[in-house]
Amino acid sequence: EIVLTQSPVTLSLSPGERATLSCRASQSVSSFLAWYQQKPGQAPRLLIYDASNRATGIAARFSGSGSGTDFTLTISSLEPEDFAVYYCQQRSSWPWTFGQGTKVETK
Amino acid sequence: EVQLLESGGGLVQPGGSLRLSCAASGFTFSTYAMSWVRQAPGKGLEWVSPISSSGGLIYYADSVKGRFTISRDNSKNMVYLQMSSLRAEDTALYYCAKGGYSYGVIDHWGQGTLVTVSS
Repeated sequence: EIVLTQSPVTLSLSPGERATLSCRASQSVSSFLAWYQQKPGQAPRLLIYDASNRATGIAARFSGSGSGTDFTLTISSLEPEDFAVYYCQQRSSWPWTFGQGTKVETK
Repeated sequence: EVQLLESGGGLVQPGGSLRLSCAASGFTFSTYAMSWVRQAPGKGLEWVSPISSSGGLIYYADSVKGRFTISRDNSKNMVYLQMSSLRAEDTALYYCAKGGYSYGVIDHWGQGTLVTVSS
């Protein structure tokens, strides 16, 4: 099973700041990595698929990069609605797995 | 608009069974993979089982293999999860999810149905 480790666990930032979230895989997942956002009491929402492709309707301030074992989700300038938990997820091999999440909270 | 409506959750005793259903609408159901993903209270996400558009390709998480069965009815736009020999650790919010872009990517999620396994 491929283990995804996200860092940091919690990121404390202010609106307007840049957020950089990391996801590291225990073995190469090529570019088969997605990012999801989850707000309290809501289902997750797809942001990025295949490492760098924004899903339909996702704001341009969200971008993804990386390949192999190291990936980054960047939010260029945090909006109030961006404070949430973010999960990475790989589909390189079954079982498809999620990271443990990074919580982006208001500083 | 894509809609996924789960039902069938509830309280069940350890060792019991439950069948979850998901009614899908707003897209051509028969052309998309579907999945069940769960989230234990206050915890992260676990992919329980995906099923391909035709139903010919199915996977199960090791934690549920032999106890859960996923199925779909493309004539009714429904996907199901039959759960048996339930354990306390199966307690979670179960999301029905639609595949998109590629097998293994979820582009729409339902709101979830809560399964609680407790005596």
